Amino acid sequence: GAGVSQSPSNKVTEKGKDVELRCDPISGHTALYWYRQSLGQGLEFLIYFQGNSAPDKSGLPSDRFSAERTGGSVSTLTIQRTQQEDSAVYLCASSLRPSSPLHFGNGTRLTVT
Amino acid sequence: SQQGEEDPQALSIQEGENATMNCSYKTSINNLQWYRQNSGRGLVHLILIRSNEREKHSGRLRVTLDTSKKSSSLLITASRAADTASYFCATETPGTSYGKLTFGQGTILTVHP
Repeated sequence: GAGVSQSPSNKVTEKGKDVELRCDPISGHTALYWYRQSLGQGLEFLIYFQGNSAPDKSGLPSDRFSAERTGGSVSTLTIQRTQQEDSAVYLCASSLRPSSPLHFGNGTRLTVT
Repeated sequence: SQQGEEDPQALSIQEGENATMNCSYKTSINNLQWYRQNSGRGLVHLILIRSNEREKHSGRLRVTLDTSKKSSSLLITASRAADTASYFCATETPGTSYGKLTFGQGTILTVHP
């Protein structure tokens, strides 16, 4: 039933602090993705999970960004020592199979002050 | 960088009119997808057209694909105020068979009642 759920919906943090963003994919979806959407860069791929493994992390902008997925379900995107340029909407998506269309959550709007 | 370039960037029409959005891309593709995003929400998958297809319909949506020109168009017929949203084309990154998508910058569609 439920779609992709992301929390929090909004997060304001001070520069230098760490943040954790959570994604609950649609039950049974094996593939999970994180994307970032910003005015300047548009929609950017960050990372792809198949099950609990991340075969493609090529979009993570720096080593301050990391993500994990546990139990083939929930995923957490962590940003350490946040910078102002990290301000964006972080979107999570899942798909039934790797080649299936993506189902997106409503995103977490991150503002770094 | 964004592979897809969309035009127009913004389109304003009256209810009942048709809306046409165009997308161009640079590399060879397996398929091209269109997504809709309402303000403050995630993206919703609309339609997927494979590289060996030239035209596809879904309800009031009609998508065409011209691989020789590396372009696609999305036509929404008999538009409604509820169609007001941003529309994005997306292509799979060459060499991948999962949802690592490159999105266009999007067309902002406003339908006036």
